[in-house]
Amino acid sequence: DIQMTQSPSSLSASVGDRVTITCRASQSISSYLNWYQQKPGKAPKLLIYAASSLQSGVPSRFSGSGSGTDFTLTISSLQPEDFATYYCQQSYSPFTFGPGTKVDIK
Amino acid sequence: EVQLVESGGGLVQPGGSLRLSCAASGFTFSSYWMHWVRQAPGKGLVWVSRINSDGSSTSYADSVKGRFTISRDNAKNTLYLQMNSLRAEDTAVYYCARDLAASLYGMDVWGQGTTVTVSS
Repeated sequence: DIQMTQSPSSLSASVGDRVTITCRASQSISSYLNWYQQKPGKAPKLLIYAASSLQSGVPSRFSGSGSGTDFTLTISSLQPEDFATYYCQQSYSPFTFGPGTKVDIK
Repeated sequence: EVQLVESGGGLVQPGGSLRLSCAASGFTFSSYWMHWVRQAPGKGLVWVSRINSDGSSTSYADSVKGRFTISRDNAKNTLYLQMNSLRAEDTAVYYCARDLAASLYGMDVWGQGTTVTVSS
């Protein structure tokens, strides 16, 4: 099975900061990598699919990049509503989520 | 409005069974692959199972294979998860989710979740 890792596991940041989260797959998954945001008590929300495609309705401050085994989610200017946990997920074979990265307020 | 609403969760004893349902509305249910994803208390997301649009193809996480069965009734716009031989480690919030594009590009619509607690 394909294993996913994320770093860091948590980070503290301020409004306006540029935030970068990394996701790594245990083998190549081409561009079959998706990113989700989850707030406490709520269902996950799809942000990025196919490594770099922005899901409809998601603000443009979110972006994704990478292919193969290494991927990045970037929030260009952190907003108050962005404090949440972020998960990567591979959809290559079959589906695995990363352990998550919690973004909280510094 | 595109919506998924789960039901059927509850408290069940170890070894027991439970059937979850997910009612879809606001979109052409029969055109989409569907998934179940779970989240244990305080833990991360874990993919459980998926089914293709006509129900002819399914796949499962190793942790539930042989115990859980995913199915769908396209006439009723409803997804199901039959859970047998339940264990304490199956305790979680269970979400149903719509697949964006034939299992390639993630899950774009999620339900609010239903809670399953396995305990004696």
